[in-house]
Amino acid sequence: EIVLTQSPTTIAASPGEKVTITCRASSSVSYMYWYQQKSGASPKLWIYDTSKLASGVPNRFSGSGSGTSYSLTINTMETEDAATYYCQQWSSTPLTFGSGTKLEIK
Amino acid sequence: QVTLKESGPGILQPSQTLSLTCTFSGFSLSTYGMGVGWIRQPSGKGLEWLANIWWDDDKYYNPSLKNRLTISKDTSNNQAFLKITNVDTADTATYYCARIIPHRFAYWGQGTLVTVSS
Repeated sequence: EIVLTQSPTTIAASPGEKVTITCRASSSVSYMYWYQQKSGASPKLWIYDTSKLASGVPNRFSGSGSGTSYSLTINTMETEDAATYYCQQWSSTPLTFGSGTKLEIK
Repeated sequence: QVTLKESGPGILQPSQTLSLTCTFSGFSLSTYGMGVGWIRQPSGKGLEWLANIWWDDDKYYNPSLKNRLTISKDTSNNQAFLKITNVDTADTATYYCARIIPHRFAYWGQGTLVTVSS
């Protein structure tokens, strides 16, 4: 099973600040997927195939990485970005998710 | 417009079988490349993948739940199903179904809360 380790677990950022969330895989994966989940809501696909933004995702978001190290970056934090972000791999079953990074507004 | 909606018993007792239904619209599970997955989330915790079913009836399960899972579909009625046998309190969670576009969970339902309690 591929274990995905996200860091940090929680982060607080001010509006306008740059934010980076990392996801490390225990084995190499081909792509990484990211989901955004706001409190009380279901997850939404946010980034797919490592770097492609899902429909409606603002272009202040970006994704990058390869092998065992991936990241999600917000170029300029906005209040609406406060949420929990999960990474997920589809390279091997069982499909696995990271434990999540809670992004808060400072 | 793609929508998915999960339904389940709400509450059940330990050792019972949990039956979940995902009713969807906006796509067909008979279309090449389409799939539906089930994911669960205990309150305040992370996401756990359970199972996927594909347009060609191919099925994949999370081995951590051993042989307790059965996924199936009714293409004519745009539904997917998940059964979990011998539930216990650890199965208490919100259960989501999601449309799969290879390879991502592209659209999620609102989730259905299942509580296992005696």
